Amino acid sequence: QQQVKQSPQSLIVQKGGIPIINCAYENTAFDYFPWYQQFPGKGPALLIAIRPDVSEKKEGRFTISFNKSAKQFSLHIMDSQPGDSATYFCAASKFSGAGSYQLTFGKGTKLSVIP
Amino acid sequence: GAGVSQSPSNKVTEKGKDVELRCDPISGHTALYWYRQSLGQGLEFLIYFQGNSAPDKSGLPSDRFSAERTGGSVSTLTIQRTQQEDSAVYLCASSSGQGVWGYTFGSGTRLTVV
Repeated sequence: QQQVKQSPQSLIVQKGGIPIINCAYENTAFDYFPWYQQFPGKGPALLIAIRPDVSEKKEGRFTISFNKSAKQFSLHIMDSQPGDSATYFCAASKFSGAGSYQLTFGKGTKLSVIP
Repeated sequence: GAGVSQSPSNKVTEKGKDVELRCDPISGHTALYWYRQSLGQGLEFLIYFQGNSAPDKSGLPSDRFSAERTGGSVSTLTIQRTQQEDSAVYLCASSSGQGVWGYTFGSGTRLTVV
């Protein structure tokens, strides 16, 4: 059972466009929603994160929109650049019964920004 | 160190062999996680270490997988009798406290079982 569903699987936009990546979750126990950016051969790096009591968060050109009632959240990249070409993962965190906080990841979106 | 260091970066092994993957977390980080990233999939949680507490092994896919963390620092993930489906990138992450805040991932070990 996939607890965090991410779409689209891949995305191609022109430079300056605004790619939007969507995620949906089922478990209302999730309490933290980060986005990670991963370049080939590298580990994922935290990009931006939001808590469910906030509807929007902006950091530079990256914005998370969060809809708690719909259990959906999305990443918007303003004025996208070729350097933004990477794989993006959404994730959700909750405290597990075994005493740890685990991240559950979506399957990723491969973004290509064309010059 | 400045970041999470994993070794080797690439490992090719024959089916049935045992492999050991190493993770050096950021100095002072008490929490350490192992994840597996298969082609076209997201990251799958394997195991979590926090200080001197018993590890959370709930994500290990079979008893062929085990991990240990010595002295609260370096961790080793061992896969016994490797299978082709074990081929994946194995990622280690550490953080300074309990929880996922301040997670830093290493670059991973790409394991190929032939």
